Amino acid sequence: AAGVIQSPRHLIKEKRETATLKCYPIPRHDTVYWYQQGPGQDPQFLISFYEKMQSDKGSIPDRFSAQQFSDYHSELNMSSLELGDSALYFCASSLGLKEYEQYFGPGTRLTVT
Amino acid sequence: GESVGLHLPTLSVQEGDNSIINCAYSNSASDYFIWYKQESGKGPQFIIDIRSNMDKRQGQRVTVLLNKTVKHLSLQIAATQPGDSAVYFCAESSNYKLTFGKGTLLTVNP
Repeated sequence: AAGVIQSPRHLIKEKRETATLKCYPIPRHDTVYWYQQGPGQDPQFLISFYEKMQSDKGSIPDRFSAQQFSDYHSELNMSSLELGDSALYFCASSLGLKEYEQYFGPGTRLTVT
Repeated sequence: GESVGLHLPTLSVQEGDNSIINCAYSNSASDYFIWYKQESGKGPQFIIDIRSNMDKRQGQRVTVLLNKTVKHLSLQIAATQPGDSAVYFCAESSNYKLTFGKGTLLTVNP
């Protein structure tokens, strides 16, 4: 079965650069969630979208923004990168606002040097 | 703020033994609780969930117990196998988002 696709899988950036992470949800899923997971930490909710509209916002820095497009894929844009942004970024998707039925992607490992 | 946490950060068991991973939560308004398994370099994988109006749910080799009186959640894995080695997270669901607790690293010794 098709799963959540994230790209790139690995990304290395320097401080103050920008990065764009992409997420392609499971076909027919209309809700996307973004999480940040630091080393040895639990995933922290950043932001979610339902039917292309922001549905909820968590601990997402102002330097980050995200959107969901008409084909339901989502992009997380990160600017003025800091060393502390180095983490695994997961995208999850669900059919409808069913946060309890989220399917996670493999993640993008972002390293800021 | 509201949070979900785990009592034990690490758990080491022998292959074939039963494993119990515990979790405490604080948001009494949460309506779903989910256990995830995360292997190294991979995203969290759904194991089992339980609604707040239940106290027990069984899956294949796994059982989740919910004690709302003391706000406690546990995951029991029967006949633990080496492939069960991973970090396990509990998460609570409310207001259309998940809040994860601290993970427990389960190591299964052959």
